[in-house]
Amino acid sequence: GNSVTQMEGPVTLSEEAFLTINCTYTATGYPSLFWYVQYPGEGLQLLLKATKADDKGSNKGFEATYRKETTSFHLEKGSVQVSDSAVYFCALSGKNTDKLIFGTGTRLQVFP
Amino acid sequence: EAQVTQNPRYLITVTGKKLTVTCSQNMNHEYMSWYRQDPGLGLRQIYYSMNVEVTDKGDVPEGYKVSRKEKRNFPLILESPSPNQTSLYFCASSIPGQGNSPLHFGNGTRLTVT
Repeated sequence: GNSVTQMEGPVTLSEEAFLTINCTYTATGYPSLFWYVQYPGEGLQLLLKATKADDKGSNKGFEATYRKETTSFHLEKGSVQVSDSAVYFCALSGKNTDKLIFGTGTRLQVFP
Repeated sequence: EAQVTQNPRYLITVTGKKLTVTCSQNMNHEYMSWYRQDPGLGLRQIYYSMNVEVTDKGDVPEGYKVSRKEKRNFPLILESPSPNQTSLYFCASSIPGQGNSPLHFGNGTRLTVT
């Protein structure tokens, strides 16, 4: 079945450091891929998405590219801020289904 | 403001005492879903609904019930809660269609069953 694997956290960085959070997936066909962010005490919010191979999703300085050949959707940001501290979830949905399958989440902590 | 509203935010109860967590959305979304979030397991789907009077089991439905009598509301019912249902619960909604519509989440309900 479909599944998502993300790197374990927490990821601890200093402000302005480069961020990569790895995400790989297993799916039949061509799923849509998402990154959601969960700030403390809140629900998840969509950060970015990509719906086909080689698409790049981007938002708030974060980027992720849909790589079919490596079944990956790694999240990157060139310069993190303290306000980026949150839990990040990679997720996928198959075609013709609204069900989202989530990874286990990666906590990011950014220190000044 | 477009939102998904869950109540209560926090709930402490005892084993066997029936409870309901409410969920309401004001975006006229057909699709609604309940997830539970547990450390190391991410989010797992409990139940979902494609439209009024249409509900179906997710990956972890045991011990839960739902109903969808109106489009905006999708309550989660625990008839006889047990300690293994202690978790953080999220309701979500979206426009259904081909798997690329983003989910809108509520702020969560933290349930503790003693």
